[in-house]
Amino acid sequence: EADIYQTPRYLVIGTGKKITLECSQTMGHDKMYWYQQDPGMELHLIHYSYGVNSTEKGDLSSESTVSRIRTEHFPLTLESARPSHTSQYLCASSGSVRNQPQHFGDGTRLSIL
Amino acid sequence: AQKITQTQPGMFVQEKEAVTLDCTYDTSDPSYGLFWYKQPSSGEMIFLIYQGSYDQQNATEGRYSLNFQKARKSANLVISASQLGDSAMYFCAMRVNDMRFGAGTRLTVKP
Repeated sequence: EADIYQTPRYLVIGTGKKITLECSQTMGHDKMYWYQQDPGMELHLIHYSYGVNSTEKGDLSSESTVSRIRTEHFPLTLESARPSHTSQYLCASSGSVRNQPQHFGDGTRLSIL
Repeated sequence: AQKITQTQPGMFVQEKEAVTLDCTYDTSDPSYGLFWYKQPSSGEMIFLIYQGSYDQQNATEGRYSLNFQKARKSANLVISASQLGDSAMYFCAMRVNDMRFGAGTRLTVKP
C-alpha cells in the first residue's frame, strides 16, 4: 500500500494569507509531483522534483512555489492566496522505473474566500 | 512528444453490465507504461491497472482488464459486471520518463 500523506485535507481561508500544503511520502521515492485539478476536470502538473534540491515548474503556470530539502517532504507554498487559487491540489510520488505508477495522496481541497 | 487522448467525457452503463473506456496514446519511444486510475467524488486517485509496452498479454486485475492494441496505440479499460461503486472519473496515463494523463472520462453506473 502506498504511503503518501497530504495535509490539510480541506482548507478554507481568506484572501492574502500565506498557505503551505504539506506532502510527505515514506517510500523513499526520488520523484515527487504537484497537480492542480478543478472538480471533474483534468490534472495539471504545476511542479515536480527529481530529488533533493531539485525542483522544476510543470506544464501549467502557477504562482505557488515548492521546496525539496528532504527526500520525503515536498511542500507547496502560496505566498498570498487569491480566489483564483481555489482548487484541489494532489501530491504524487514515484520510483524511477517506467512500470511504476505514481502514488497519490488524498489531496487538499483549497477554498480561498 | 507524448500525448494521451480520452475522447469520452462521460459514459453511462447499467449495473452488472460491462463497459469500455477508450484511451489512445502517441509516443515515439518504444518503451513506455500505460496506467489507469479511478478518482471517486472524494478526490483521491486510485491506481487500477498497468500495461507495459513489451507485455504480450493484456493486463487484468479482478474486474478490470486492459485491451492493449499496440499497432493502433490504444489502451482501453474494460470494467466487467459494473457496480454502483464504479461511478467515478477514470484517467488513462502513459509514462515514458514522466506521467502524462488524459482528460478523463466520467462513468456513471445506473441501478
